[in-house]
Amino acid sequence: AQRVTQPEKLLSVFKGAPVELKCNYSYSGSPELFWYVQYSRQRLQLLLRHISRESIKGFTADLNKGETSFHLKKPFAQEEDSAMYYCALRNREYGNKLVFGAGTILRVKS
Amino acid sequence: KAGVTQTPRYLIKTRGQQVTLSCSPISGHRSVSWYQQTPGQGLQFLFEYFSETQRNKGNFPGRFSGRQFSNSRSEMNVSTLELGDSALYLCASSPGQGIQAQYFGPGTRLLVL
Repeated sequence: AQRVTQPEKLLSVFKGAPVELKCNYSYSGSPELFWYVQYSRQRLQLLLRHISRESIKGFTADLNKGETSFHLKKPFAQEEDSAMYYCALRNREYGNKLVFGAGTILRVKS
Repeated sequence: KAGVTQTPRYLIKTRGQQVTLSCSPISGHRSVSWYQQTPGQGLQFLFEYFSETQRNKGNFPGRFSGRQFSNSRSEMNVSTLELGDSALYLCASSPGQGIQAQYFGPGTRLLVL
C-alpha cells in the first residue's frame, strides 16, 4: 500500500533558523513526490515536485530512494513561511490520485 | 488564467439529504480530481475524471458519485448524507493524466446537521 508519513504535527523555529520538514513514504515502485503548502485562508498550492529539481521560495527537497524520504529544507526560515505543509505521492499507474501525508504546521517565530 | 473555482463555498444540510458540488477547472485542463479533507482523516482521494470518464476511485461508499461534462466541469454528489460527511471538499485540475501537477480550488465546506 502507498503511504506518506509526516512525523511532526508541528514544527516551531525562530526566524533565520534552518528548517527541515520530514516526509517518508512507502511504495515499491517509482513514485512522484510533491510538497503542497496551505497558507492561512488560502487554497492548497503546489510548492515543489521532485522531478523539477528546483528551489521555490528558498525551499528544496531531494528524493532519497534508499531512505524513501523526501524532506523539505530551507536554510533560513522567514515568518511568511508559516503555513501547513503536505507531502504527497503519486503513482502514475493511478493517474492523478495523490496520497497525502497528515501535514506539518510550520510556525516561524520572530 | 483563472484558477479552479468551486461552488458553493459553504453548504449546510441535514442527515439524509443529498448534495451536489460543482467544480470548474482551469481553462484547458481536462482532468479533475476530488478530495475530502477532515481533521481526523486528512486529505483523502475521492475520484478522478478525465475526458468525461471516471479513471480512478478512492475508498468511499457508493453514496459518493461524480461526473464530468464535455467542457471538463465536474460535479460530485453525495446522497443520504451522514454526520461524518461534514468536511471540506476540494477539487483539483490538471492538463492531463499522471504527468503534470494538479491545481486546487478553494473548496466547498459542507456541514451536515
